[in-house]
Amino acid sequence: GQNIDQPTEMTATEGAIVQINCTYQTSGFNGLFWYQQHAGEAPTFLSYNVLDGLEEKGRFSSFLSRSKGYSYLLLKELQMKDSASYLCAVRDGGGATNKLIFGTGTLLAVQP
Amino acid sequence: NAGVTQTPKFRVLKTGQSMTLLCAQDMNHEYMYWYRQDPGMGLRLIHYSVGEGTTAKGEVPDGYNVSRLKKQNFLLGLESAAPSQTSVYFCASSLYRGATPGQETQYFGPGTRLLVL
Repeated sequence: GQNIDQPTEMTATEGAIVQINCTYQTSGFNGLFWYQQHAGEAPTFLSYNVLDGLEEKGRFSSFLSRSKGYSYLLLKELQMKDSASYLCAVRDGGGATNKLIFGTGTLLAVQP
Repeated sequence: NAGVTQTPKFRVLKTGQSMTLLCAQDMNHEYMYWYRQDPGMGLRLIHYSVGEGTTAKGEVPDGYNVSRLKKQNFLLGLESAAPSQTSVYFCASSLYRGATPGQETQYFGPGTRLLVL
């Protein structure tokens, strides 16, 4: 079966660092995406990992361990505008469809 | 360059009515997708298309039909709406091959909020 797990909600303080975890069990694997979704808006792309290790993009970093079926998104120097849902998605390894399987998302609340 | 657009933005239907949701993209993407997003359920794939004239079922296709007559457009139809189809519908598109794998990310439209009474 296909299963992607993320915490439902997290709270953090402005200026701090927060780590959002994602574990997955899927029949295939061809990369993992992180998206940000503000309330009432569309998801937007944050990062992509296909090999083990850390990918850094400014205040955002994403880590992948394929052997453990595990990824995390690290947000540094939190700002109020980072309050949003963060979606973990695994790209289906079968065929050339670029299909994504999404987790239910983690709602992050950044407090002053 | 508008990206991915969806019409309408919001619609109220009565049970049994039909409607079509339109998705358009101007990025020359080969792949297009329709999702629904419900509280606590995440994004679930309804149907997708890997090219003009082709469609395929996703995870939750029942009650929906799709067509992709032109590369830039992907239509989602509800023939007889049911209250269980109350949801937010997102369309997305992506490249078949990007210069880097990250470029193969899916780009999402702003969503259509549908209420079926």
